[in-house]
Amino acid sequence: DAKTTQPTSMDCAEGRAANLPCNHSTISGNEYVYWYRQIHSQGPQYIIHGLKNNETNEMASLIITEDRKSSTLILPHATLRDTAVYYCIVRDSGSARQLTFGSGTQLTVLP
Amino acid sequence: KAGVTQTPRYLIKTRGQQVTLSCSPISGHRSVSWYQQTPGQGLQFLFEYFSETQRNKGNFPGRFSGRQFSNSRSEMNVSTLELGDSALYLCASSLGSGWYDTEAFFGQGTRLTVV
Repeated sequence: DAKTTQPTSMDCAEGRAANLPCNHSTISGNEYVYWYRQIHSQGPQYIIHGLKNNETNEMASLIITEDRKSSTLILPHATLRDTAVYYCIVRDSGSARQLTFGSGTQLTVLP
Repeated sequence: KAGVTQTPRYLIKTRGQQVTLSCSPISGHRSVSWYQQTPGQGLQFLFEYFSETQRNKGNFPGRFSGRQFSNSRSEMNVSTLELGDSALYLCASSLGSGWYDTEAFFGQGTRLTVV
């Protein structure tokens, strides 16, 4: 699976949009981009995933660049409860079902 | 529907002992994966089971083993515990079938402390 690069930490004001970037320059054509988050001492929580097109669900939006070398997770109206470590993962749809977690981005939402 | 259930939530063991952790996946999910999370190494994949068969294994010593039962519940076992095995052990379940699998759902984890 392709390696991802994320900033170590980010801050966001409560109520504002949080934009979390991820670089995956070695992604191949059949690899999906997944986002998970982990609130302190809890299990990771699935947020969203996509292949080429932008995706949106009730939690977030995922914007994938046309060349697929990078993506951005957008939390439209961040709340204090969104403070967590966010992981961007690239996974081959045909591979065994394991997730390779990097170091993630610590997002802190400030009041 | 009920989420992924891991038991126990907390465990303290002594070096050299063995431990068994349990995971009940979401109803209808047939794939169960195990992960170890430590401050130094982060989240690392241990192994994955589907229909009672181990499908994939991470880079962990043979002291780490697992199994899956016909009802998809899974257990993992660590023998001859070492201090470095202290970690949060996470279980994830997913449908597991078909060429494309979607999201995995994680339990709250078992916090193992080896003293």
